[in-house]
Amino acid sequence: AQKITQTQPGMFVQEKEAVTLDCTYDTSDPSYGLFWYKQPSSGEMIFLIYQGSYDQQNATEGRYSLNFQKARKSANLVISASQLGDSAMYFCAMREGPSTDKLIFGTGTRLQVFP
Amino acid sequence: NAGVTQTPKFQVLKTGQSMTLQCAQDMNHEYMSWYRQDPGMGLRLIHYSVGAGITDQGEVPNGYNVSRSTTEDFPLRLLSAAPSQTSVYFCATGRATGELFFGEGSRLTVL
Repeated sequence: AQKITQTQPGMFVQEKEAVTLDCTYDTSDPSYGLFWYKQPSSGEMIFLIYQGSYDQQNATEGRYSLNFQKARKSANLVISASQLGDSAMYFCAMREGPSTDKLIFGTGTRLQVFP
Repeated sequence: NAGVTQTPKFQVLKTGQSMTLQCAQDMNHEYMSWYRQDPGMGLRLIHYSVGAGITDQGEVPNGYNVSRSTTEDFPLRLLSAAPSQTSVYFCATGRATGELFFGEGSRLTVL
């Protein structure tokens, strides 16, 4: 069975610094996708970044990048130049198989950015 | 452009009451799903649908029913609410392999 693990319940980072949020996954399917979502205190879920299992390069979206290490089954989110508005819950999620939107989520990491 | 619309946003029920959480999308996505979010548990999949007339169970389906008569709508029914169903519920839609688009959430309290 697929599984997503986020071992950091909470993280602190100073404004303008970089931070890495950890995510490990477990699946036996060679085709899968990995996602990161942000949930601010207002409650909505915001898509940040996607990495496919066959993608050769790490995904990047602005200040977000995904450090994809396939052999270690890790998909860590790196946020560069943190901003106060980055304070939120962050969820890692995985899609198993090539053609489904059925996602399994981790338990999340609460990031707090301080001045 | 509404995207994914969930109603109601807040609801308080008594144990044993029934209700329906509505989800409507105008994005023409085939895939729709319902998640519940509890503290420390992340989001857990309740039911999902890959198209009109097709539904399937997720990780935590007990106590919930769904149907999908149109592409646009995917209601979630609680037939006899229990305190364990107190949660925040999210509806999401997407195209296969792509990102999910979430509604704003519905906060349900069962007394």
